[in-house]
Amino acid sequence: NAGVTQTPKFQVLKTGQSMTLQCAQDMNHNSMYWYRQDPGMGLRLIYYSASEGTTDKGEVPNGYNVSRLNKREFSLRLESAAPSQTSVYFCASSGTPQGEQYFGPGTRLTVT
Amino acid sequence: TQLLEQSPQFLSIQEGENLTVYCNSSSVFSSLQWYRQEPGEGPVLLVTVVTGGEVKKLKRLTFQFGDARKDSSLHITAAQPGDTGLYLCAGATFGAGSYQLTFGKGTKLSVIP
Repeated sequence: NAGVTQTPKFQVLKTGQSMTLQCAQDMNHNSMYWYRQDPGMGLRLIYYSASEGTTDKGEVPNGYNVSRLNKREFSLRLESAAPSQTSVYFCASSGTPQGEQYFGPGTRLTVT
Repeated sequence: TQLLEQSPQFLSIQEGENLTVYCNSSSVFSSLQWYRQEPGEGPVLLVTVVTGGEVKKLKRLTFQFGDARKDSSLHITAAQPGDTGLYLCAGATFGAGSYQLTFGKGTKLSVIP
C-alpha cells in the first residue's frame, strides 16, 4: 500500500501561471483534504471532500479550486498563482471512526 | 472559529530530560489527535484520545485528554534524539458529512545528544 501520494514534489511557478496538484489514496477512504502549511501558521484547511461527488471550502479557499475525480483522487488547482500561495501543500485522507487523517509527503510550491 | 493554542512553540532539551507539551482550547472536540512531523514529510498520527480524562501511553510518550475534552498534554520521559520533530495537536469536529481537524501551530522539539 502506498497510502497517500502527491505529485509533483517540488514546483516553481511565475506569478499568473496555473497548475494542478494531484493526490491519490489507496486506502478506500471516503474523505479527502487539502492543507497548506506556512511557518508560524500551522496547517490550514483549504478544501475538503466528505465523499465522492462533494467538495466544501475550508478556512483558506480563495485562489484555489478542487476536483474530486473519483473516490481515490482529489486535485487542487491554482488558476493564477500569486506569491502569497508559496507554501507546502499536503493532501490527506480519512476513513476511520474518529476522523484520523493520513497525509501525503507534500508539494513544495514557490511562486516568484 | 475554533482555536487550539499549543505551547511551547520551541523546545530544546538534553537527551534524557523530560518534557511536556500543552494543547488548549475553549472549544469541545469529539477527539484530540497528536501527530509528529519530520522535516520534508507529512504529519504522522501518534495517538487519538476520545474520552475526557483519558490517558494513553506509547512507549515513553504519555498523552492525556482533559476532563472537559478541551485540552490535552503530551509528556515525554527521558527524551531521545529520535524524538526530535514537530509535534502537532489537532481537535476533531464532525460536520457536513466528515470530520474536520483544527490544528495547533505545533511544538518544534530538538533533543540534543
